[in-house]
Amino acid sequence: SAVISQKPSRDICQRGTSLTIQCQVDSQVTMMFWYRQQPGQSLTLIATANQGSEATYESGFVIDKFPISRPNLTFSTLTVSNMSPEDSSIYLCSVEGQGREQYFGPGTRLTVT
Amino acid sequence: GENVEQHPSTLSVQEGDSAVIKCTYSDSASNYFPWYKQELGKRPQLIIDIRSNVGEKKDQRIAVTLNKTAKHFSLHITETQPEDSAVYFCAAVRISGTYKYIFGTGTRLKVLA
Repeated sequence: SAVISQKPSRDICQRGTSLTIQCQVDSQVTMMFWYRQQPGQSLTLIATANQGSEATYESGFVIDKFPISRPNLTFSTLTVSNMSPEDSSIYLCSVEGQGREQYFGPGTRLTVT
Repeated sequence: GENVEQHPSTLSVQEGDSAVIKCTYSDSASNYFPWYKQELGKRPQLIIDIRSNVGEKKDQRIAVTLNKTAKHFSLHITETQPEDSAVYFCAAVRISGTYKYIFGTGTRLKVLA
């Protein structure tokens, strides 16, 4: 499976600021996904990022709050904008395998104070 | 909307015993069912998956069974070991041009030595 990295691994941010999370994969992939996992909870899909097109957002997530870039087949970014303490969570990217299975990055642990 | 119910939420077993986790899905068109293991502070890792044209799949000590009629699938772990302790997530997916994973709520498995 692909090697996936995320930066930063964790951060503590002040409310009202923005954080951009990077996801890098070592091979070209068509589909990348961004998830949020709140403490002790399951995985919630934020958006699907397909290279060359606008990201598709799930209900409850909007582009102004979570803008996503997908400039090429190995890289994507998720920005968490105008943060509030409710945005404290783990953010994970994932990539699609050949059989539509998904492989996850190590996650970014975000704390908003 | 689509959802996946997962039971139990917590499960404690003695080392060497078997563990069974069950998931029920609502979308009858789901055709792919992966299972993920997430150790504390780590990323979810794909451990086994099954597609709708198969009723059972086994990989060493883990197996998954699928009942399409009843719309449920189960993870079976035999001869449990302390390193099996983790949170396990099931997912149901309707694989098509665009798709999303619907995750269960997770099961925290504790294997007692």
